[in-house]
Amino acid sequence: SQQGEEDPQALSIQEGENATMNCSYKTSINNLQWYRQNSGRGLVHLILIRSNEREKHSGRLRVTLDTSKKSSSLLITASRAADTASYFCATDSKMEYGNKLVFGAGTILRVKS
Amino acid sequence: EPEVTQTPSHQVTQMGQEVILRCVPISNHLYFYWYRQILGQKVEFLVSFYNNEISEKSEIFDDQFSVERPDGSNFTLKIRSTKLEDSAMYFCASTTRGTGGYGYTFGSGTRLTVV
Repeated sequence: SQQGEEDPQALSIQEGENATMNCSYKTSINNLQWYRQNSGRGLVHLILIRSNEREKHSGRLRVTLDTSKKSSSLLITASRAADTASYFCATDSKMEYGNKLVFGAGTILRVKS
Repeated sequence: EPEVTQTPSHQVTQMGQEVILRCVPISNHLYFYWYRQILGQKVEFLVSFYNNEISEKSEIFDDQFSVERPDGSNFTLKIRSTKLEDSAMYFCASTTRGTGGYGYTFGSGTRLTVV
């Protein structure tokens, strides 16, 4: 089965509310990353949390990582309509040469104004 | 901020034709990747490239696919004989080191439509 499975698959909230997305994975990782994708566009790196970190903040984003449960969460506080996008977690694992990102299926976030 | 550039943004091709997707990674990056995303599905790893050779490839990356870094700047993905199921968004990515701890920079993608 796949690394980096997110839930919920879709989330609809009002502007100003917080949005929480969860991600689970199966194998050992070097780090876990969250990406955002606006409809039909490229992937934008949001935040990276290393395997020895438990929590990280960047602006309105807060990411947690629980390696014992192999899970991560992304919290977007005080959401805005412009946050409407798909959000993907991706696990970064070591290969023989370099690393490889494996993406989850993503959470579609809709923020209503 | 440095960008990964992909061309073309959209390509339509006949089934059975060869296509070449082009990417210019960030100049000081060493590791290069191709991913694809079929409409409505997850982003899938295709291949990674380091030191002028493939370091890993997925099951999707069969004999119809090849990658090349013909000069110091371009990184190309070639599909020899396209199939309908190759229709997808193809993303190029690069990162500065392979030891982890760094985000990947993705291009805006090439939407490939096989008809």
